[in-house]
Amino acid sequence: AQKITQTQPGMFVQEKEAVTLDCTYDTSDQSYGLFWYKQPSSGEMIFLIYQGSYDEQNATEGRYSLNFQKARKSANLVISASQLGDSAMYFCAMREGTGGGADGLTFGKGTHLIIQP
Amino acid sequence: ETGVTQTPRHLVMGMTNKKSLKCEQHLGHNAMYWYKQSAKKPLELMFVYSLEERVENNSVPSRFSPECPNSSHLFLHLHTLQPEDSALYLCASSQDPTGTIYEQYFGPGTRLTVT
Repeated sequence: AQKITQTQPGMFVQEKEAVTLDCTYDTSDQSYGLFWYKQPSSGEMIFLIYQGSYDEQNATEGRYSLNFQKARKSANLVISASQLGDSAMYFCAMREGTGGGADGLTFGKGTHLIIQP
Repeated sequence: ETGVTQTPRHLVMGMTNKKSLKCEQHLGHNAMYWYKQSAKKPLELMFVYSLEERVENNSVPSRFSPECPNSSHLFLHLHTLQPEDSALYLCASSQDPTGTIYEQYFGPGTRLTVT
């Protein structure tokens, strides 16, 4: 079974609209972290936002917010007031465990977001 | 230089060649990672180093050989690769404190083509 599921292969959104990118995850760990990364066509993975499993508040970073619904194992990314520069691949990722040893991230397949003028 | 850098950015090699990918982080982190990104597949974790010790190897073929001489540098040595190894190879780094989860910062990647 996939650990990270992103059900939207691609999305077209009008500029200035809000957009929600879906992510569901599967883990039996109590302690884990959820991440969103942006990958423009240049290839570099850009960290956007992080949510810890014990965080009670939804994470926010500027125009990015994470809609964390623990019982549903959902961690959707919300981008408010989308801009043309937001066009990119977006990846949801999870790190399981407490981080006591370095742990790699498990990534979803990504959503290709295209912002239209 | 700032962040995580990778060289070369593009590499074309034959199946009998030997080459190395280099990664350097300027963030003071103590954990480094190699990921492989193939077309239409999720990023796959290849190797993890924490405090210069390898902690994870996800059954990567032996034709890929990592080296971490210090906490700032990470290499991926390549030999007798196959065409299916063509991919974007991404390096990342993070802090590795006990009990806390920190984000990983990625380099720009090396686009590898095996002919």
